Amino acid sequence: DAGVTQSPTHLIKTRGQQVTLRCSPISGHKSVSWYQQVLGQGPQFIFQYYEKEERGRGNFPDRFSARQFPNYSSELNVNALLLGDSALYLCASSLGDREAQYFGPGTRLTVL
Amino acid sequence: GEDVEQSLFLSVREGDSSVINCTYTDSSSTYLYWYKQEPGAGLQLLTYIFSNMDMKQDQRLTVLLNKKDKHLSLRIADTQTGDSAIYFCAETGPSGTYKYIFGTGTRLKVLA
Repeated sequence: DAGVTQSPTHLIKTRGQQVTLRCSPISGHKSVSWYQQVLGQGPQFIFQYYEKEERGRGNFPDRFSARQFPNYSSELNVNALLLGDSALYLCASSLGDREAQYFGPGTRLTVL
Repeated sequence: GEDVEQSLFLSVREGDSSVINCTYTDSSSTYLYWYKQEPGAGLQLLTYIFSNMDMKQDQRLTVLLNKKDKHLSLRIADTQTGDSAIYFCAETGPSGTYKYIFGTGTRLKVLA
């Protein structure tokens, strides 16, 4: 069975630009969560979606937004990129909103 | 506050046992998790323990939970060079939230 997939693998943007990251959950999983992992740190929670509704939001500015589609895939959008947004963005899926989360390989975003 | 603490580094010889420790803050956490991250990769779920359990064993992995002291440990028996990675513990967020709170990770180096 395919695991969580994310695209693109790597991305380079400049300050002020906008970026969209994509995630496809494990088949049958209805919940998707997004995390930001800065080099040398543990992942920080950004959002969780379950059945297309936002279930949780971390301490991130409004420049970060997300949505979940009817097929349970998800997009994370970041506007007005800052240098500090450079990180590995991880998507995790779970059967339900409180089940164990399985992570994808991540998207490495570099902001110049 | 929300703070999961781990020691930064651990070095062991191949064939020895490794013990990675973690302290967490939220006594209401329902589950506690251990993830493994290899260089440039996402997080791999290793095991998890329900908060009303003291111990869980899964092949070479043993998880011990001391709820009174909010202390979690992961023991890897017969450690192999392929076990070299960063290990993260995570707790579920405060009741009513759906996020995971991760520690800073312990880098395990296995010496041949």
